[in-house]
Amino acid sequence: DSGVTQTPKHLITATGQRVTLRCSPRSGDLSVYWYQQSLDQGLQFLIQYYNGEERAKGNILERFSAQQFPDLHSELNLSSLELGDSALYFCASSVGVGGRNTIYFGEGSWLTVV
Amino acid sequence: AQSVTQLGSHVSVSEGALVLLRCNYSSSVPPYLFWYVQYPNQGLQLLLKYTSAATLVKGINGFEAEFKKSETSFHLTKPSAHMSDAAEYFCAVSAIQGAQKLVFGQGTRLTINP
Repeated sequence: DSGVTQTPKHLITATGQRVTLRCSPRSGDLSVYWYQQSLDQGLQFLIQYYNGEERAKGNILERFSAQQFPDLHSELNLSSLELGDSALYFCASSVGVGGRNTIYFGEGSWLTVV
Repeated sequence: AQSVTQLGSHVSVSEGALVLLRCNYSSSVPPYLFWYVQYPNQGLQLLLKYTSAATLVKGINGFEAEFKKSETSFHLTKPSAHMSDAAEYFCAVSAIQGAQKLVFGQGTRLTINP
């Protein structure tokens, strides 16, 4: 158990819909990351937040957005869903922002778009 | 830009044999390097990391990796494979400075034959 909690674990929804994935980081961690894992794209970095502020952006679509709340939990919002958005979405956390920090991953949220 | 190439999407070894998973990186600045393992239906777990200290890094479950700057490599090894080592292994690179954004390789699926 990494200490990173993600909900829901599984989600099936229709094209065009909107979903929200939730993440609680490890106790004491200020950084939260979101990654997408799919068969064709592999593991892709989406976005990073540190103590409520966006710190880095990766290959995140405009239809996707995220935020980190004052209690440090984070949400990833996916809208106008397409079949290609079906993937495993990981949340991860670390203490700080430096490259030396260990990043701990949650077990992921499986999203299936039908 | 940073990138990681994992040679071999699938490696199969016999139980008790040497495990060698190859990883080459590309980075314009000195990198930090990581190996993560993903067991079926689970999140990513850190095996080991190189953060510019010793070039030979020991990790969990008997794995180790050696950073070779001249070869831009960070291969993962284990002297004797166990059935429980069957999993997907990911090499990742991160810049020392700036926002920590792990860039992952495509992964290597390790199969252990009895």
